[in-house]
This record gives sequence, structure tokens and C-alpha cells, in this order.
Amino acid sequence: DVKVTQSSRYLVKRTGEKVFLECVQDMDHENMFWYRQDPGLGLRLIYFSYDVKMKEKGDIPEGYSVSREKKERFSLILESASTNQTSMYLCASKQGGGHTEAFFGQGTRLTVV
Amino acid sequence: AQKVTQAQTEISVVEKEDVTLDCVYETRDTTYYLFWYKQPPSGELVFLIRRNSFDEQNEISGRYSWNFQKSTSSFNFTITASQVVDSAVYFCALSEFSRISSGSARQLTFGSGTQLTVLP
Repeated sequence: DVKVTQSSRYLVKRTGEKVFLECVQDMDHENMFWYRQDPGLGLRLIYFSYDVKMKEKGDIPEGYSVSREKKERFSLILESASTNQTSMYLCASKQGGGHTEAFFGQGTRLTVV
Repeated sequence: AQKVTQAQTEISVVEKEDVTLDCVYETRDTTYYLFWYKQPPSGELVFLIRRNSFDEQNEISGRYSWNFQKSTSSFNFTITASQVVDSAVYFCALSEFSRISSGSARQLTFGSGTQLTVLP
């Protein structure tokens, strides 16, 4: 079974903290993605990576950065968490090339207080 | 303008009823793909179907069926004889050729989702 695993289901952080969200996939996929899910807005792409150490901004990158040091791991970093970053964060991976389906992790619900 | 519109925010049906979830998309590409995903309460999105822009045949998989109509830019999803386990948020998504960025990653653009509740 293919698997995308996010390190935490629930996180509560304080405003101004540096926050790391970790995602690991075991399918040897080239591409990995971080989405943010908010009611009424669907999933919005924050960043994606198509190879180790390669990254590209998505639609809403402000306030976030990412790291991909190994193929299987893609980290989302909130440099200084703010309350408007309270949301559900979803990691996904997909095989490179073609319009293949993406596989998703179970999500991390982050609350910034 | 939204690229993928799911106008139905919430739908509630009674078990065994049929229900159709609407999806309207917008693209200038001639080559594109459409997807449906299911997000149960556990949170993980589950892939249901992919359809390319050149294949307008409707598809049926068990109680699920999909109606793709390029003329109206719609890709609707019907659940026949709904069950309580069908309760979830359903997302429609679009993958466009023109959105290719570096490498071969093709981004998915999601609709806002439809919350389906099936009552016993």
C-alpha cells in the first residue's frame, strides 16, 4: 500500500513560534506538495517540490518555506507562526510525468494561539 | 474567476437516495485532466477517478458514475443508492498542461468541495 505520512495529526503552537510540519512518502515519488485546506476555499497549494533540493512556490507561499533534503521527506516551515495560519495542512506526493493521481497524507490540523 | 467551481457547499440526503455532485471547470487548454477525490472524516483524501479531456465517455464504477460534458465544462459525480459511509467531503480537481512548471510536476487545482451527509 502506498503511504504518505504526516508527523502530527494535531498541533497547537503559539504566535511567533517556528513550526515544522513533516511529511514522508514511501513510494519513491519525485513530486511532493503542501496544501492548505480552509472551509469554503478548498485546497490551496503552498509549495511543491519536483526533486531533492528543488522547490517552487504555489499559490499562497507567503509566510511559509519548505525543505527537501531527501527524496522521501518534504517539510513545511512556518518561520513565525501567526493566527491566520491556523488551518488543516495536507501533504501529497505523485509520480513524475503525466497527469497521475496524487496520494495524500491524513492531514495536520494546526492551531496557532 | 475560479477554475473549478463546486457550487453545492453542503448536501444532505437520506440513505438509498441518489445524489449528484456538480463540478464546473474553466480552462483554455485542450489537454487537461479532471479528478474526483473523497475526504472522509479521517482527513485523508482518497482518489476516485481521473478523466482526460479527450475521453467524454461516461464511467460507472459500482454505485459511482461520472458524467463528463466538454460542451458545458462539467464533470459531475453521481452516487446511486447512497449509504452512510458515503458521507464525506468530495473534491473535484483540474490538472492543466499549461501549468507545467519545472520538472514534470503538474499541479492540481481543487474546487472548494461539497460536504455530503447521508442520513440513516
